[in-house]
Amino acid sequence: EAGVAQSPRYKIIEKRQSVAFWCNPISGHATLYWYQQILGQGPKLLIQFQNNGVVDDSQLPKDRFSAERLKGVDSTLKIQPAKLEDSAVYLCASSFFSVRGLSGNTIYFGEGSWLTVV
Amino acid sequence: QKEVEQNSGPLSVPEGAIASLNCTYSDRGSQSFFWYRQYSGKSPELIMFIYSNGDKEDGRFTAQLNKASQYVSLLIRDSQPSDSATYLCAVSPPSGGYQKVTFGTGTKLQVIP
Repeated sequence: EAGVAQSPRYKIIEKRQSVAFWCNPISGHATLYWYQQILGQGPKLLIQFQNNGVVDDSQLPKDRFSAERLKGVDSTLKIQPAKLEDSAVYLCASSFFSVRGLSGNTIYFGEGSWLTVV
Repeated sequence: QKEVEQNSGPLSVPEGAIASLNCTYSDRGSQSFFWYRQYSGKSPELIMFIYSNGDKEDGRFTAQLNKASQYVSLLIRDSQPSDSATYLCAVSPPSGGYQKVTFGTGTKLQVIP
């Protein structure tokens, strides 16, 4: 079974430039997550999709970050304009389903997209 | 108060010893609890999940949950140098109709040969 695919793996951009990351979840996984992980910190949820609908974007800096999952499969996360503090690993993850009260709903992570803003 | 708290470490244990990693959470209604391992430069991978009070064992790993104390721990028996990594505690609090998973900052474990 193919895992969560992400691209690009590494990106270096100057501040105020834009960048886009792509993610293709595990086949059949309805829930897709984008996490931001700054060095030395735990992953922070930016946005969560259930199929092609957003269920949580409370920590997404909407003035500069946007994400979409138009057909309920792959997803794109965009940053425009980038700031120095956006330097982080952007982790895409997916899970089979997401229903409150059910346990063992394992989240599978991609390898991450490493962003350096200079 | 942070939703999920962990000691950042590093926690150093000798090879063959038991490593004990701890995590506390703030939302008393939390339902599911996860331990992920993250090697340097890699993405997190699931070790175990637990949702009932008590112990759950899987090989050298044992997860312990105490909902009354809002405390979850991970024990690693016969620690190996390959266990050296950051261990992330993740908690799924109650939320409307979907599972939100919140991560702690992780505890760095060093197993000394």
